[in-house]
Amino acid sequence: DTAVSQTPKYLVTQMGNDKSIKCEQNLGHDTMYWYKQDSKKFLKIMFSYNNKELIINETVPNRFSPKSPDKAHLNLHINSLELGDSAVYFCASSQESTLSLFGNEQFFGPGTRLTVL
Amino acid sequence: GENVEQHPSTLSVQEGDSAVIKCTYSDSASNYFPWYKQELGKRPQLIIDIRSNVGEKKDQRIAVTLNKTAKHFSLHITETQPEDSAVYFCAASWGGTYKYIFGTGTRLKVLA
Repeated sequence: DTAVSQTPKYLVTQMGNDKSIKCEQNLGHDTMYWYKQDSKKFLKIMFSYNNKELIINETVPNRFSPKSPDKAHLNLHINSLELGDSAVYFCASSQESTLSLFGNEQFFGPGTRLTVL
Repeated sequence: GENVEQHPSTLSVQEGDSAVIKCTYSDSASNYFPWYKQELGKRPQLIIDIRSNVGEKKDQRIAVTLNKTAKHFSLHITETQPEDSAVYFCAASWGGTYKYIFGTGTRLKVLA
């Protein structure tokens, strides 16, 4: 049973194009995230959503627009792709709320390797 | 802003030896410290975590220690095996904030 799934696994596209990555979790979690992992393997949070509401936007260019149709899905749309957008994008989820006393484990999707030519 | 420093960036050990990876966090409100293992081409997966109300936690060959005063926490792997080779990430988080700050990663190579 796949807990957090992403599609597509690989995405190769030309500069200037628009593309989307989809993410779904079946863990019943309230919070979902998008991370970018660059070629140096740094994991940087981009967005976090709780119950479909945007909670964190870590100074990501507005070419990146997340959308959460329901709490089990968090999609990422990228406009006008640039060479520097090439990376692996990970979706994650956790059971987090404003009432959480401690942080919680994050469950990652398999990643989407985006290559912009 | 919040920051997690991780050292070393690469670590090579002989099979059977121990490996230690250290992290320092900046925000004293942090109270949850997970460690993730990422094998080549795979997703990060939790291997062990510790909460701020505990000083040490062990799970078979891996252990994590936490020093809240110094804002340090460390991952210890004993009797390393080739399959331990991966990139390891520490992270710091605190409840109710939806924030997770990852360290920069340590590439561990276990030499057979």
